[in-house]
Amino acid sequence: KAGVTQTPRYLIKTRGQQVTLSCSPISGHRSVSWYQQTPGQGLQFLFEYFSETQRNKGNFPGRFSGRQFSNSRSEMNVSTLELGDSALYLCASSSTPGQGSSGNTIYFGEGSWLTVV
Amino acid sequence: AQSVTQPDIHITVSEGASLELRCNYSYGATPYLFWYVQSPGQGLQLLLKYFSGDTLVQGIKGFEAEFKRSQSSFNLRKPSVHWSDAAEYFCAVGQAAGNKLTFGGGTRVLVKP
Repeated sequence: KAGVTQTPRYLIKTRGQQVTLSCSPISGHRSVSWYQQTPGQGLQFLFEYFSETQRNKGNFPGRFSGRQFSNSRSEMNVSTLELGDSALYLCASSSTPGQGSSGNTIYFGEGSWLTVV
Repeated sequence: AQSVTQPDIHITVSEGASLELRCNYSYGATPYLFWYVQSPGQGLQLLLKYFSGDTLVQGIKGFEAEFKRSQSSFNLRKPSVHWSDAAEYFCAVGQAAGNKLTFGGGTRVLVKP
């Protein structure tokens, strides 16, 4: 079974541009979450989707947005890029909408490396 | 609000020696605890998780972790480290509703030959 797939793996953008990152979850998984990883701030939660609905959002400006499609694939968009947006963006998927009472494994993709120049 | 602290930023250990990584969490309810490992340039791989029951949890690659509620800790251990264990390790806490994880700052492990 294929894992979480993120595209593109590497990209370079210029300040002021926008970028769209894509995530295909593990087959059958309906929950997708996004994280930003930087050396200074570590791993920070961006947002979470389940069945096309955003269920949780981290403390990021409105320039960061996301969506989930009916096939569970997800995209995140960052508009008006700033140098500080340079980071590894990680997508994670899971089969249930929450940890619940029996636990739930959350699988991560290899990430998309975004460099803003 | 939930939070995770990993007090050690770097740890250097000799190959074959034991390893223990510390993790302290703050969470109001029953915690859902995870350890992930990240090799350079890679995503996160789940080592083990704790939800309930036995407080000693076995994971992949010979790792184990012990949940101690009284100390709000979830320390990761490995009896004998291999050079391939050199990586960054992250402790995380989850919540019952939703799949949001809150991560600690990570501990980078260096393995000396």
